[in-house]
Amino acid sequence: DAGVTQSPTHLIKTRGQQVTLRCSPKSGHDTVSWYQQALGQGPQFIFQYYEEEERQRGNFPDRFSGHQFPNYSSELNVNALLLGDSALYLCASSARYNTYEQYFGPGTRLTVT
Amino acid sequence: AQTVTQSQPEMSVQEAETVTLSCTYDTSESDYYLFWYKQPPSRQMILVIRQEAYKQQNATENRFSVNFQKAAKSFSLKISDSQLGDAAMYFCAYRSATGGYQKVTFGTGTKLQVIP
Repeated sequence: DAGVTQSPTHLIKTRGQQVTLRCSPKSGHDTVSWYQQALGQGPQFIFQYYEEEERQRGNFPDRFSGHQFPNYSSELNVNALLLGDSALYLCASSARYNTYEQYFGPGTRLTVT
Repeated sequence: AQTVTQSQPEMSVQEAETVTLSCTYDTSESDYYLFWYKQPPSRQMILVIRQEAYKQQNATENRFSVNFQKAAKSFSLKISDSQLGDAAMYFCAYRSATGGYQKVTFGTGTKLQVIP
């Protein structure tokens, strides 16, 4: 059983560009959350998707948007990239009514130059 | 809003010894979950141990145990018989137990070094 997978592993973009990151949840999970982890910091919650809708959002601008597909996989889109968007982006999946655990993927390292 | 504070940016422990990582949190809720996550250099965030706030008994998972002081809003992690593989960033985290959504709030982390 594959855990949470994310693609790509690494990504280099230029300021002003747009980027799409992808996440496939662990089998049996229907909820996907995205986190941004700047270097040397703890992860910061971006948003969470369940039933293809954004259910909760952290303190991130509208440049950050997402999508969840019928197979529960998810995308994170960031428009008009800034240097400060450089970070590790983590995806976590969970089951809607399992209140205990989120399983994290290995992350996508985004570098904005 | 809930906050999680880890006041020890770095800690070191001798192999086979015991180390305690500190965490405090702030919340007005009475029902919540607390977690310790481990993030090795491979970047994969791994759940080490969890604690339900309504349980008075401290959680234990093999060499890992917590000291949960609800009134003091303190949640420390004790690692016994430290091993080289325990070297990693450790994050304390909080999640509300009310409502179905599972936003997790993390602290800034403690980097643990294990000395052979």
